[in-house]
Amino acid sequence: GAGVSQSPSNKVTEKGKDVELRCDPISGHTALYWYRQSLGQGLEFLIYFQGNSAPDKSGLPSDRFSAERTGGSVSTLTIQRTQQEDSAVYLCASSSPGQGAYGYTFGSGTRLTVV
Amino acid sequence: AQSVTQPDIHITVSEGASLELRCNYSYGATPYLFWYVQSPGQGLQLLLKYFSGDTLVQGIKGFEAEFKRSQSSFNLRKPSVHWSDAAEYFCAVASYNQGGKLIFGQGTELSVKP
Repeated sequence: GAGVSQSPSNKVTEKGKDVELRCDPISGHTALYWYRQSLGQGLEFLIYFQGNSAPDKSGLPSDRFSAERTGGSVSTLTIQRTQQEDSAVYLCASSSPGQGAYGYTFGSGTRLTVV
Repeated sequence: AQSVTQPDIHITVSEGASLELRCNYSYGATPYLFWYVQSPGQGLQLLLKYFSGDTLVQGIKGFEAEFKRSQSSFNLRKPSVHWSDAAEYFCAVASYNQGGKLIFGQGTELSVKP
């Protein structure tokens, strides 16, 4: 597609439920990144996929968070047993080969509210 | 460790006035530096970026930023602010050997008064 697509745009879930957030990157972009934007916390890196390499998971805040990228394209971020502190906007970005941060395109994000 | 500091959480300027948003970074080598803007309910839009070359970088919407290595700063400027510039502004730094992940500052919220 023309841009990075994220779905759903908004998600309200009950505490303790699992949620899945989807990111569809720009076609041909080999790198995919997830970030979290919390109120008062700014933007923080969560996880990074580059081609077929092992993902960089160094930013995941707990083992309740996981992500996968199927076929080098679509990525799903899963949060298990959601907590209220997980409420945030989750942003996805993709980048073309060799560009890294220099070639980011961000999606519009998924706003997650845990009640 | 890399870090980015935006000292001003909130700034208010009058329409037509000049603007400078401050950004300081901590990084051991020559950094990749970025400014992004986020309007309410919108995603992040890249304003400008710097890696090497001319230390004064021109961006979109009339913004510019100057890289000052001696001060570890990358301040964003605009000579005349428009009401539509009201948004949140994020400075970020990246290292290429970490795959391009970005470290963001906390953001500066800009309000524009008539």
